[in-house]
Amino acid sequence: DAKTTQPNSMESNEEEPVHLPCNHSTISGTDYIHWYRQLPSQGPEYVIHGLTSNVNNRMASLAIAEDRKSSTLILHRATLRDAAVYYCILRDLIQGAQKLVFGQGTRLTINP
Amino acid sequence: NAGVMQNPRHLVRRRGQEARLRCSPVKGHSHVYWYRQLPEEGLKFMVYLQKENIIDESGMPKERFSAEFPKEGPSILRIQQVVRGDSAAYFCASSPWESNTGELFFGEGSRLTVL
Repeated sequence: DAKTTQPNSMESNEEEPVHLPCNHSTISGTDYIHWYRQLPSQGPEYVIHGLTSNVNNRMASLAIAEDRKSSTLILHRATLRDAAVYYCILRDLIQGAQKLVFGQGTRLTINP
Repeated sequence: NAGVMQNPRHLVRRRGQEARLRCSPVKGHSHVYWYRQLPEEGLKFMVYLQKENIIDESGMPKERFSAEFPKEGPSILRIQQVVRGDSAAYFCASSPWESNTGELFFGEGSRLTVL
């Protein structure tokens, strides 16, 4: 799995948008970009994934750069419950089910 | 719909004892993954199994650790002769045979404390 780079930590205020960046300059054409998050004392949970086009779901939006070398996870209106470690992971789905390789992620703090 | 179930949630063992951690995947899922998370660290992949087969054990320590996913019943992660360094949260995840999203479903984890 190709490597991703994320800031160690970010801070935002409740009810404001949050933009979490991820760099993946060595991404291959068949790598999907996945985001997971881990709330305190819980297991990771899937947030969103995409290949080339921007994606939206009930949890977040994923904006993918045109050259695919970076992406941004967008939480449109952060709540205190969004405080977690957010992981950006590349995964080649063409090869079928594979393990996820977690990096250090970004620890997001939400201020009330 | 039951998610991934792990038990026990908390386990205390003395050095030299054995620890057995169980994981029941989401119903219908045939892939199981085990991860370890040391205190204040990230998740490290240990092993990936399908029913009755170990597919990738590149993250498993060579000694004392073993994993299985039998035809019937939960997946088991077994740690023999535990040491203090084995104290960690152990997470299990599952996915279906064909996953359009590649999503892994994680359990709440089993927290092992070695005294």
